[in-house]
Amino acid sequence: DAKTTQPNSMESNEEEPVHLPCNHSTISGTDYIHWYRQLPSQGPEYVIHGLTSNVNNRMASLAIAEDRKSSTLILHRATLRDAAVYYCILESGNTPLVFGKGTRLSVIA
Amino acid sequence: EPEVTQTPSHQVTQMGQEVILRCVPISNHLYFYWYRQILGQKVEFLVSFYNNEISEKSEIFDDQFSVERPDGSNFTLKIRSTKLEDSAMYFCASSELGHGTEAFFGQGTRLTVV
Repeated sequence: DAKTTQPNSMESNEEEPVHLPCNHSTISGTDYIHWYRQLPSQGPEYVIHGLTSNVNNRMASLAIAEDRKSSTLILHRATLRDAAVYYCILESGNTPLVFGKGTRLSVIA
Repeated sequence: EPEVTQTPSHQVTQMGQEVILRCVPISNHLYFYWYRQILGQKVEFLVSFYNNEISEKSEIFDDQFSVERPDGSNFTLKIRSTKLEDSAMYFCASSELGHGTEAFFGQGTRLTVV
């Protein structure tokens, strides 16, 4: 029932940028794009969210395609601590966040 | 930084017993949620709560589950008669304004039903 498509897993070298893709071709005009991550044995953690424009915060950047049918989460410099499952979630109206399987990011030292 | 706190961190209970999982959401938040995650599986939505009532619930949230905000600070999830398949991590979350704002999750309560 997830409305997004993400690769099952990705790998990155430490201190290099990581681009995590997400496809959401059925997005509607008022849907927010959220990214959360879940570190091992922890609860989900908010990363970033946006509607139409690219967004930056202290954790990451969110690049949203012009047609909004895809987005990319950018970690500018991966650290070992960034190894986690990353979830791309569409938020429609006041419906709750629905988590899919996400992308498991491995970071290699 | 404000955070969502959950207690206990781990609860072991016998099948058929009632359990109450407790959460203290962030103080100015208005929307509250419970999720669960069975070991090795996805995070699943259970229920959302706003303005002292349930706003949405999933198929999982059947009659054995209930939620309450008894005193304006705590937000509880009660499971009336636990089953083995209720064993999971239960996460509480809150958000300030719902749509378009971030949700903050607690560290979870691991419920083990034996």
